Amino acid sequence: NAGVTQTPKFRILKIGQSMTLQCAQDMNHNYMYWYRQDPGMGLKLIYYSVGAGITDKGEVPNGYNVSRSTTEDFPLRLELAAPSQTSVYFCASSAIAEKRKETQYFGPGTRLLVL
Amino acid sequence: QKEVEQNSGPLSVPEGAIASLNCTYSDRGSQSFFWYRQYSGKSPELIMFIYSNGDKEDGRFTAQLNKASQYVSLLIRDSQPSDSATYLCAPDGGGADGLTFGKGTHLIIQP
Repeated sequence: NAGVTQTPKFRILKIGQSMTLQCAQDMNHNYMYWYRQDPGMGLKLIYYSVGAGITDKGEVPNGYNVSRSTTEDFPLRLELAAPSQTSVYFCASSAIAEKRKETQYFGPGTRLLVL
Repeated sequence: QKEVEQNSGPLSVPEGAIASLNCTYSDRGSQSFFWYRQYSGKSPELIMFIYSNGDKEDGRFTAQLNKASQYVSLLIRDSQPSDSATYLCAPDGGGADGLTFGKGTHLIIQP
């Protein structure tokens, strides 16, 4: 199993440009998440999904959009990139949480620089 | 607002000693607690989780939970240079949304 994969690994964007960060998992996990991590900070939740067709906002959703058309894929869209979106973006997935949360498995991350 | 507090460090510990990492959280509804390790430039990986008061041991790692004090800790025995990393505490407040992570403690094991 490849686990959670993310592309690209690194990208430089100009202010106002748009891009899509790709995330895929092959573990048949229903739950998927997007986090961002700024230097010296913990991870902050951007969006999450509990299954295909179902998404919801996290702590810092402004400036981002997501979609979930399949169980495997959970792309993150940046519209009108701003310097404040310079960060490392991590995608994660987990099995369905019944009594308590299951382990989240993280992708390798996408490093984004907005200039 | 769920808050998770960790001493950012760096915490410097001699090789072979016990490293003690602490975390306090504000959400009394938190039921499970995860410790993730993150090497520089890498993604977080789970090393321990605990959901009952008391201690849980896994190899050189011991997680300690005190829900009344809203405190969870991670002990690393016989610390090795390979343990040098940032350790993130993440209480689970329930629900399907993501975890709330602390800023992490940067641990340095000195050979």
